Amino acid sequence: GAGVSQSPRYKVAKRGQDVALRCDPISGHVSLFWYQQALGQGPEFLTYFQNEAQLDKSGLPSDRFFAERPEGSVSTLKIQRTQQEDSAVYLCASRPGRLANYGYTFGSGTRLTVV
Amino acid sequence: AQSVAQPEDQVNVAEGNPLTVKCTYSVSGNPYLFWYVQYPNRGLQFLLKYITGDNLVKGSYGFEAEFNKSQTSFHLKKPSALVSDSALYFCAVRDFTGNQFYFGTGTSLTVIP
Repeated sequence: GAGVSQSPRYKVAKRGQDVALRCDPISGHVSLFWYQQALGQGPEFLTYFQNEAQLDKSGLPSDRFFAERPEGSVSTLKIQRTQQEDSAVYLCASRPGRLANYGYTFGSGTRLTVV
Repeated sequence: AQSVAQPEDQVNVAEGNPLTVKCTYSVSGNPYLFWYVQYPNRGLQFLLKYITGDNLVKGSYGFEAEFNKSQTSFHLKKPSALVSDSALYFCAVRDFTGNQFYFGTGTSLTVIP
């Protein structure tokens, strides 16, 4: 597609529920990133994929957070046993190459509310 | 460690007046600095970046930013504000790998007609 697509746009989960957030990057983009944006804050890095390899997961806040990109295209961010502090907008971004000279393109995000 | 600070949560400016959104940075090594804009329910959109070269960087929609090494600042500017410029603006620094951005807390810009 023309841009980075994320679904669902909005998700309400009961505390303790598992959720899965999907990211469709721009076709052919090698690098994919997940960020978490809490209310009133700037986005914070979660994890980075180059093709199917997860090269950096240093930003994942706990072992309840898991991300995958099995075929090097679509990525899923999974949060197990959601808690209220997980409420945030989750942003996905992709980049055409491995090199940092290429710019990121961000998706519109998934707004997760844990009640 | 890399970080940026945006000292103003909110900036109001009259349409047609010049605008400035402030950003200061703290990095080890050379700074790679960016400005992004976020409209409601939209993703972050790239405005401009400083990697090296001229201290005055020109970007999208008439925005520019000035890199000031001595003051460790990278303020965003526009000579004449438009109502449509009203949005949330984020300053960011990229780490040396290029794979991770550190964003500021954002500045909400309101341009008053």
